[in-house]
Amino acid sequence: GAVVSQHPSWVICKSGTSVKIECRSLDFQATTMFWYRQFPKQSLMLMATSNEGSKATYEQGVEKDKFLINHASLTLSTLTVTSAHPEDSSFYICSARDHRKTGNTEAFFGQGTRLTVV
Amino acid sequence: AQKITQTQPGMFVQEKEAVTLDCTYDTSDPSYGLFWYKQPSSGEMIFLIYQGSYDQQNATEGRYSLNFQKARKSANLVISASQLGDSAMYFCAMRPHLGSASKIIFGSGTRLSIRP
Repeated sequence: GAVVSQHPSWVICKSGTSVKIECRSLDFQATTMFWYRQFPKQSLMLMATSNEGSKATYEQGVEKDKFLINHASLTLSTLTVTSAHPEDSSFYICSARDHRKTGNTEAFFGQGTRLTVV
Repeated sequence: AQKITQTQPGMFVQEKEAVTLDCTYDTSDPSYGLFWYKQPSSGEMIFLIYQGSYDQQNATEGRYSLNFQKARKSANLVISASQLGDSAMYFCAMRPHLGSASKIIFGSGTRLSIRP
């Protein structure tokens, strides 16, 4: 199946700093990628939809100035957590679909990034 | 409103037995897809099986089968001959619209534990 690579897999940062997480589709192109957040023992909550060449679409309640998304190419989307605080500590995971495929095919997920803000 | 409901927060099953994980959904869209993902402790999301709303037959993938009952809006996952490696979180998910930009929404998950 298609491969989505997410980097880094884990990161520890100090409060007030910014952290960038990358999501790459390795063997397909994705005009759209999705960023999710998952707290311990909870489900995945969609944060935003990343659109290649245009602004991201954020879900209700997600601060777009806090979570900056850039989708500069068909294979790369980045999520930057700005001015991180301990409450931003979470598991962040991205997904992407092959835009050439029609129909309701599966989404492929990255390995996830465990962010800890100290 | 679109919603996925998984009513079993946790389940314990004896190795080699079959197990059914429940999932119900709600959507007003005529076309949608239903998914099951497995999430082991490492955190990765592993795609298991897909069912389209217009598919006439229930989907099967090896030991996984999806019991799709459209009128009841349920999409239960059946795992046959469970193995110790099946212990993980399982998420039912739905994509309400067609198209690459349509987003997947997830249920709350079921933690499956297989006893040796």
